[in-house]
Amino acid sequence: GAVVSQHPSRVICKSGTSVKIECRSLDFQATTMFWYRQFPKKSLMLMATSNEGSKATYEQGVEKDKFLINHASLTLSTLTVTSAHPEDSSFYICSARDHRERYTEAFFGQGTRLTVV
Amino acid sequence: GQNIDQPTEMTATEGAIVQINCTYQTSGFNGLFWYQQHAGEAPTFLSYNVLDGLEEKGRFSSFLSRSKGYSYLLLKELQMKDSASYLCAVKDSNYQLIWGAGTKLIIKP
Repeated sequence: GAVVSQHPSRVICKSGTSVKIECRSLDFQATTMFWYRQFPKKSLMLMATSNEGSKATYEQGVEKDKFLINHASLTLSTLTVTSAHPEDSSFYICSARDHRERYTEAFFGQGTRLTVV
Repeated sequence: GQNIDQPTEMTATEGAIVQINCTYQTSGFNGLFWYQQHAGEAPTFLSYNVLDGLEEKGRFSSFLSRSKGYSYLLLKELQMKDSASYLCAVKDSNYQLIWGAGTKLIIKP
């Protein structure tokens, strides 16, 4: 199946700093990428949908100024958690698909465990 | 609103069979997916149903009834490595995935 690479897999940062997470589609063009966060024992929560070359669409309750998303190319989307706080500690996962292939499954990155201290 | 329900946790014995149910209420339907997620890892794709009926793939099978808004994932010959969370997800009319909270499956020897 298609491969999505997410980096870093784990990051620890100090409160108030910013952290950038990258999501790359390695063998297909991802016109659409999705960013999720997941708290322990909870479901995946969609944060935003990122479309190449346009602004991301954020879900209700997600602060777009805090979670900056850039989808500058067909193979790369980035999520930057700005001015991170301990409550931002979570598991962040990206997924990608070629929007033209509407019936395919989403391909997930490996996830990023963010810990803010 | 959109809603996907599945049991929070299930326990089964190694070598046995277990069925994990999923009911959904979504705005439109463009397919139902089952994913497996081990703790601390990203979900991995298991199956996809868009038409009614049973899809079999090795030890895993998935069933769909669109009229009932119902699906199940059937796992046979359970192995210890099957201990994981199983996520049900539905693609709505906008082709967006709506996720269930997941069912944690515990396999006992």
